[in-house]
Amino acid sequence: DIQLTQSPSSLSASVGDRVTITCQASQDISNYLNWYQQKPGKAPKLLIYDASNLETGVPSRFSGSGSGTDFAFTISSLQPEDIATYYCQHYDNLPWTFGGGTKVEIK
Amino acid sequence: EVQLVQSGAEVKKPGESLRISCKGSGYSFTSHWISWVRQMPGKGLEWMGRIDPSDSYTNYSPSFQGHVTISADKSISTAYLQWSSLKASDTAMYYCARLGGGHRSSYFDYWGQGTLVTVSS
Repeated sequence: DIQLTQSPSSLSASVGDRVTITCQASQDISNYLNWYQQKPGKAPKLLIYDASNLETGVPSRFSGSGSGTDFAFTISSLQPEDIATYYCQHYDNLPWTFGGGTKVEIK
Repeated sequence: EVQLVQSGAEVKKPGESLRISCKGSGYSFTSHWISWVRQMPGKGLEWMGRIDPSDSYTNYSPSFQGHVTISADKSISTAYLQWSSLKASDTAMYYCARLGGGHRSSYFDYWGQGTLVTVSS
């Protein structure tokens, strides 16, 4: 199985800060990686697909990059409504797996 | 409007059977695979498996193979997740999610609201 290692597992930043989360795959997965946001008590929501494509309706402060084994997810200017846990997920081959998650809090 | 509506919360005893459901609407149900995702209390997301509602072809994660059954009834646009003998460790929130994308692109673009399953003696 392909393992996805997210870091950090949690972070605290101020409103307006640039926040970056990384996701490292245990083997080359090309660009077969998605990012989701999960707010407390809610279902996950797709933000980025195919490593760098912004889902329709998602604010442009969210972005993704990377290919192969190393990926990054960035919030260019953290907003209070961005408080959530973020997950990467690959679909290179079965079984699909998620990263362990990164909890983002406001300082 | 695309919607996935899941069945309500369940409280069961160990050893009991259970089937939860996920009803799709607002799109062609047979045109998109459905996946199930587990989230244990305070933990992350785990992909359990997927089904093609057009022919009920399924794939399972090895972690869940043999312990759950995924099925679908395309006549009523509904997917199911079933246990024949629940364990306390099955206590979790379960989400269904629609698979979007196309050739060599797959992502969970719509999610159900989740079904909380509690297994306790």
